[in-house]
Amino acid sequence: KQEVTQIPAALSVPEGENLVLNCSFTDSAIYNLQWFRQDPGKGLTSLLLIQSSQREQTSGRLNASLDKSSGRSTLYIAASQPGDSATYLCAVVTGANSKLTFGKGITLSVRP
Amino acid sequence: SQTIHQWPATLVQPVGSPLSLECTVEGTSNPNLYWYRQAAGRGLQLLFYSVGIGQISSEVPQNLSASRPQDRQFILSSKKLLLSDSGFYLCAWSIHGGYGYTFGSGTRLTVV
Repeated sequence: KQEVTQIPAALSVPEGENLVLNCSFTDSAIYNLQWFRQDPGKGLTSLLLIQSSQREQTSGRLNASLDKSSGRSTLYIAASQPGDSATYLCAVVTGANSKLTFGKGITLSVRP
Repeated sequence: SQTIHQWPATLVQPVGSPLSLECTVEGTSNPNLYWYRQAAGRGLQLLFYSVGIGQISSEVPQNLSASRPQDRQFILSSKKLLLSDSGFYLCAWSIHGGYGYTFGSGTRLTVV
């Protein structure tokens, strides 16, 4: 059974810092990995999707890497801003029916 | 472009009342459809998924059921709500080939 872990559960940083959010998964036989952002009371917004054959994906100030063999992914946020404050969720797709398994998320607070 | 609609946004229902949440997808055909629940302080839990009309798989035994009467319509139902059914319900879709998941905006259900 696939398990996804995100540590720490919460993180508070001053504005302008570069930061790394970590994600680990137990079953390396994944099809892809997706990072989402969730604002309080809102749905999930997809940030980056990494296919199993890829090593990283970039979008603006965000960069996500994938090391499938070690079961790890990182989300790098450059020059953090207060608007980046949200919960960041990592999820992997495994299995014949492409089921998505989520970590519990990291709640990020960027202080002005 | 593809869009996903989910309604209502919020719902307050008494214990023992029925439930019907609807999700529709536009701009794609034969999507995989999913219902997730996010309870307070807990991660996202997959409740049901469907790979085609009338095909429903349940992940967790519970007081809920799902139906897919049309290709792009997914309905979550209950005959009698329990307090423990309270939570944030999210509908999602994906297509074969690992192109990632897209989520709706969610329904906040409070059972009183």
